[in-house]
Amino acid sequence: RKEVEQDPGPFNVPEGATVAFNCTYSNSASQSFFWYRQDCRKEPKLLMSVYSSGNEDGRFTAQLNRASQYISLLIRDSKLSDSATYLCVVNLRDTGRRALTFGSGTRLQVQP
Amino acid sequence: NAGVTQTPKFRVLKTGQSMTLLCAQDMNHEYMYWYRQDPGMGLRLIHYSVGEGTTAKGEVPDGYNVSRLKKQNFLLGLESAAPSQTSVYFCASSGNEGSYEQYFGPGTRLTVT
Repeated sequence: RKEVEQDPGPFNVPEGATVAFNCTYSNSASQSFFWYRQDCRKEPKLLMSVYSSGNEDGRFTAQLNRASQYISLLIRDSKLSDSATYLCVVNLRDTGRRALTFGSGTRLQVQP
Repeated sequence: NAGVTQTPKFRVLKTGQSMTLLCAQDMNHEYMYWYRQDPGMGLRLIHYSVGEGTTAKGEVPDGYNVSRLKKQNFLLGLESAAPSQTSVYFCASSGNEGSYEQYFGPGTRLTVT
């Protein structure tokens, strides 16, 4: 079983739609959670951290459910520029390497 | 503000050839990482470094070596390239306080024929 699992998609949605991505992680000791965005043939970049109480950044809302080991990302009012792959990322608070474990990503295609 | 840079951007190697990928960061970060990214596999950690002069194995270290002689540079070496090492290689760095955010370089696309 992969440590971080995501639906690979693609999710094809029209502009203005609301879309949600889900992610599950296997290690209950995971302590920090993130969503990264990766554009085609580019490097991953941090989209937002995910906090236990849930957090919002403009059109983006992230939720964490520790009991179910589940993370979600909601994008409202989708824009063409939101088309990208979204990577779910977790950190196991280990002894020193500050390692992140990446999901293989969910591809979003927003259509005009 | 350069952030994390990688050279080269593209490379084609024949099986058995060697090469070194260079990563440089100007953020004074302690931690540096080398990943490979293959379709459907996500990013997998090859080697990492927690400071100048230190290196350690990640999830998929076989066939690779690394060195961190200077804090700002992290080199990834392939001694004898194999077709299975065809991939996109990303370098990343992270600071030693607060957020675990990693900053990535633009990647190196390597093809081994």
